[in-house]
Amino acid sequence: ELKVEQNPLFLSMQEGKNYTIYCNYSTTSDRLYWYRQDPGKSLESLFVLLSNGAVKQEGRLMASLDTKARLSTLHITAAVHDLSATYFCAVDQPLKEYTSGTYKYIFGTGTRLKVLA
Amino acid sequence: DTAVSQTPKYLVTQMGNDKSIKCEQNLGHDTMYWYKQDSKKFLKIMFSYNNKELIINETVPNRFSPKSPDKAHLNLHINSLELGDSAVYLCASSQDQRGQETQYFGPGTRLLVL
Repeated sequence: ELKVEQNPLFLSMQEGKNYTIYCNYSTTSDRLYWYRQDPGKSLESLFVLLSNGAVKQEGRLMASLDTKARLSTLHITAAVHDLSATYFCAVDQPLKEYTSGTYKYIFGTGTRLKVLA
Repeated sequence: DTAVSQTPKYLVTQMGNDKSIKCEQNLGHDTMYWYKQDSKKFLKIMFSYNNKELIINETVPNRFSPKSPDKAHLNLHINSLELGDSAVYLCASSQDQRGQETQYFGPGTRLLVL
């Protein structure tokens, strides 16, 4: 079955610094999703990457997808405290055993980011 | 106007009880999901419905029974609750079952079984 791994699992960083979160997945997929979860809250969609080489940016966050390497990165530029949250990547996988055209989303382990003032 | 809502938000109950969680979406989506998020924040899909039809049924004890009365609602009934059922249950919806779409998540139901 498709496996999705993130690293690091925990990240503590100073405000103003840059860092990258990595998301690796084990089988071919052209599509990858990033979500953010604040403590005690639900998941909020950040980015949808639908092809090899896709790059999307929103504020201090930039996500990219390399389908050949089966790797997505979430780059944080000049971190601020408000970015403290858990970040998840997810990949969708077609399910042959279900109705044709049905996809299942597999989530990564999550990266808990803490930005220190 | 909340897109995906769940009730209750918190549920504390004794082992052996039966409980239900409800989910509603007002996005006009065809597909809805139940996920379980454990204490380490790991998310695993449990069920998915597309237009009231069960399309994904993962390896979940048969004490868990989903029901979708219409495409805007997806409920989860749990019989004979066990300690290991304690988790956050997240409902989500997407336009359809074919992927390529972000999912919209509800606020979660925090279940604690004592």
